[in-house]
Amino acid sequence: QSALTQPASVSGSPGQSITISCTGTSSDVGGYNYVSWYQQHPGKAPKLMIYDVSNRPSGVSNRFSGSKSGNTASLTISGLQAEDEADYYCSSYTSSSTQKFGGGTKLTVL
Amino acid sequence: QVQLQESGPGLVKPSETLSLTCTVSGGSISSYYWSWIRQPAGKGLEWIGRIYTSGSTNYNPSLKSRVTMSVDTSKNQFSLKLSSVTAADTAVYYCATEGLGWFDPWGQGTLVTVSS
Repeated sequence: QSALTQPASVSGSPGQSITISCTGTSSDVGGYNYVSWYQQHPGKAPKLMIYDVSNRPSGVSNRFSGSKSGNTASLTISGLQAEDEADYYCSSYTSSSTQKFGGGTKLTVL
Repeated sequence: QVQLQESGPGLVKPSETLSLTCTVSGGSISSYYWSWIRQPAGKGLEWIGRIYTSGSTNYNPSLKSRVTMSVDTSKNQFSLKLSSVTAADTAVYYCATEGLGWFDPWGQGTLVTVSS
């Protein structure tokens, strides 16, 4: 199964906002509200940041928000901080009852 | 809170079978989905498959012919077997609790290298 499409990299200055897109098809992102986002720092396991498109787990900063339009989901990080520099991955449930991830986006805080 | 820990050989020979176990602590393995995910060095995440505590499974179509998952509720463990491995299967392997469309928590990951 092909991966969801994410930009390879995004960057922003401290205090700014950035958005990472995640594009799939009507068989995954567009078909279900089961999109999640993960933050991964080097050498660490991924951390769940958003689930069910726009819900934040307990303990995740409200600077992180998610949305979806059609076959594209988005993660927005507002008030960028140095600690937000990491790799970000989206994931979606699919019509085949499988899960697929995006290729990942490297966020650089300038 | 629930914690997961992967265990198994860090080195597997080509054409042999990779075997990993994930031990769940701090909670019961019952009534949840449990997944395996892998990540080659410098690359993205790949979902391998999931198993429910009843034993029902779903696998990534690209790996389905080589993957077997099992669960041992008495030991609070679930396992992964990947047969006929090649260098392309070298990766950090994670176990995770799976909800509908999300994974949390994750184990710390274990590096498996395929080499003779």
